[in-house]
Amino acid sequence: QKEVEQNSGPLSVPEGAIASLNCTYSDRGSQSFFWYRQYSGKSPELIMFIYSNGDKEDGRFTAQLNKASQYVSLLIRDSQPSDSATYLCAVTHSGYSTLTFGKGTMLLVSP
Amino acid sequence: KAGVTQTPRYLIKTRGQQVTLSCSPISGHRSVSWYQQTPGQGLQFLFEYFSETQRNKGNFPGRFSGRQFSNSRSEMNVSTLELGDSALYLCASSLGGGTNTDTQYFGPGTRLTVL
Repeated sequence: QKEVEQNSGPLSVPEGAIASLNCTYSDRGSQSFFWYRQYSGKSPELIMFIYSNGDKEDGRFTAQLNKASQYVSLLIRDSQPSDSATYLCAVTHSGYSTLTFGKGTMLLVSP
Repeated sequence: KAGVTQTPRYLIKTRGQQVTLSCSPISGHRSVSWYQQTPGQGLQFLFEYFSETQRNKGNFPGRFSGRQFSNSRSEMNVSTLELGDSALYLCASSLGGGTNTDTQYFGPGTRLTVL
């Protein structure tokens, strides 16, 4: 069973702080790792993806991947109230486009 | 470039009926995947179509089916609706190459309510 685990939250941070969202996965054959943001009642929107060990930065967002520990994280710097949403971690497996999702972490950023 | 579109956006049906949902992918994308999202189960994969062929299938009963047309547009059908089929149905498209950069983009979803 290929599983992706996330803490359901909510994770509460004050405005301007760094939010750290974590995800673990069970299948060592996982190829790429995606972070999506989903506002209530809306569809998931892509934030970024990573497939190599290490860090990848895109604006206020940094994705971190550690394949040995089967761990991926998303850091959000200078968190804004508009970042309040559910963050979904998803993985693909070699040669396939199919995404396996975690159940998401709710982030609440208070002004 | 236009995004993924889904129709209809909202649908109310009764138990036992059938329903067809439609998805138009981003231009140039050949892969269309369907997902079901419910509060209890989260996002679950239904099936993927690539070049008019079902390439991958999730663990759903045979009442759930789909197809893809030559222009990459896709439809999914649910027959003999059950109350538990009430969910947000999401379509996502990608180039479909299965490479490590192949990225899925989601449509707005169809909210299905079964009464």
